[in-house]
Amino acid sequence: KAGVTQTPRYLIKTRGQQVTLSCSPISGHRSVSWYQQTPGQGLQFLFEYFSETQRNKGNFPGRFSGRQFSNSRSEMNVSTLELGDSALYLCASSWTTGGYEQYFGPGTRLTVT
Amino acid sequence: KQEVTQIPAALSVPEGENLVLNCSFTDSAIYNLQWFRQDPGKGLTSLLLIQSSQREQTSGRLNASLDKSSGRSTLYIAASQPGDSATYLCAANMNRDDKIIFGKGTRLHILP
Repeated sequence: KAGVTQTPRYLIKTRGQQVTLSCSPISGHRSVSWYQQTPGQGLQFLFEYFSETQRNKGNFPGRFSGRQFSNSRSEMNVSTLELGDSALYLCASSWTTGGYEQYFGPGTRLTVT
Repeated sequence: KQEVTQIPAALSVPEGENLVLNCSFTDSAIYNLQWFRQDPGKGLTSLLLIQSSQREQTSGRLNASLDKSSGRSTLYIAASQPGDSATYLCAANMNRDDKIIFGKGTRLHILP
């Protein structure tokens, strides 16, 4: 069974631009969560989607948004990029929501210049 | 507010030694706790998940324990190998409908 895939793997953007990251969960998994990982803050929860609905949201500004499609694939978007948005963005999928084991993708490394 | 702490932040041990990684959490009312491994620049690999009703879980040379009353979990690695070098993170899930809180990890280096 294929694992969680994320595209692109690396991205360089300029301040003020916007970016869209994509995540394809493991086949059959319906929950997708997004995380931001930085050396200073560690792993921080962004949001979780289940059946195309956002179930949980972390403490991030409204510039961070996401969505989930009917095939469970998910995208996250960051508008008006800031230097501090440079991070590794990880998505994780699980069979369903509610504390089930999460499986992570390799991440997208975003660099904002 | 749940906080998850992992001490030490970094650890170096000679190959072959048994070792224990620590994870503490402030709110004992957790739903489950998961241990992950992360290699540099890579995503996370799930190692073990312990439900709140369980005391421990084992997988190969790994054993994770959970003591809710003391707010602690430990990951025991037997007969360490250079390939075990990685960052180990623990994550607490407070309840079925809440987000997961991660510790900042312990960076483990096994010396050949």
